Amino acid sequence: EVQLVESGGGLVQPGGSLRLSCAASGFTFSTYDMHWVRLVTGKGLEWVSGIGTTGNTYYPGSVKGRFTISRENAKNSLYLQMNSLRAGDTAVYYCAREARTRTSNYYSYYMDVWGKGTTVTVSS
Amino acid sequence: DIQLTQSPSFLSASVGDRVTITCRASQGISSYLAWYQQKPGKAPKLLIYAASTLQSGVPSRFSGSGSGTEFTLTISSLQPEDFATYYCQQLTSYPYTFGQGTKLEIK
Repeated sequence: EVQLVESGGGLVQPGGSLRLSCAASGFTFSTYDMHWVRLVTGKGLEWVSGIGTTGNTYYPGSVKGRFTISRENAKNSLYLQMNSLRAGDTAVYYCAREARTRTSNYYSYYMDVWGKGTTVTVSS
Repeated sequence: DIQLTQSPSFLSASVGDRVTITCRASQGISSYLAWYQQKPGKAPKLLIYAASTLQSGVPSRFSGSGSGTEFTLTISSLQPEDFATYYCQQLTSYPYTFGQGTKLEIK
C-alpha cells in the first residue's frame, strides 16, 4: 500500500524550532518529487516547500530562509526543519507526493498521495 | 507568483444540485491545474489533474474544464458525501499555489 506518515509535530514557543518527518512506503521514494503543504485554520491550504529527485529545493517567500526541506532516500524519508517559528506557522502539515503523467505532448503534474498530517502549534 | 482566485468562497446547495466552482489564475498556466477535495480532519484528496483528467477512483459526477487562466470544477448531481472544501492548485511554476478554497455546505 502506498503510504505517507508524518510525525514530529507539537507545541513550540515563538522563535523555536521543530523538525517534521515523513516516512514513505509502498513506492520507489527516490523517483518522486516530494512536498510539504500546510492547512492553516481559517486560511486554507498553503504549499510550504518542495524537493526534487536530484535534491533541488523550492520555497515560497513566507518560509524561505526559515524552513529547510531535505530527503534521505536510503530511509525513504522526507524532512522539514522549521526555525524561527511564528504564530502564523500554526497549522496541520502534510507531506505529499508529486506524480507526473504524460498527456498528449506534455507532462501533467499533481499531488496524488498525501499523509494524514501532523499538527504544529506555535504559542507561548 | 501566480495567484489563484476561486469563486464563490462559500456555496450552499442541496443533494441532487449541479454546482460549478471557478478558479481564475493571474497569468496563463496552460492546463497545469489540479482540484482537491478536503473534509474536516482529513487529508486533501486529488479529484482532477491536467485541468480535466479525472483521477482514478473519483466518481464521474466530478468534471473539470478550462485552460489558460479560467477553470471550472463541476459536480453534476451533489451527493451527501460531496459536502466539503474544494481547492484548485497550479503546478506550472514555483512557488506552487492554491486557491483560497470553496466551502460547499448543505442548504
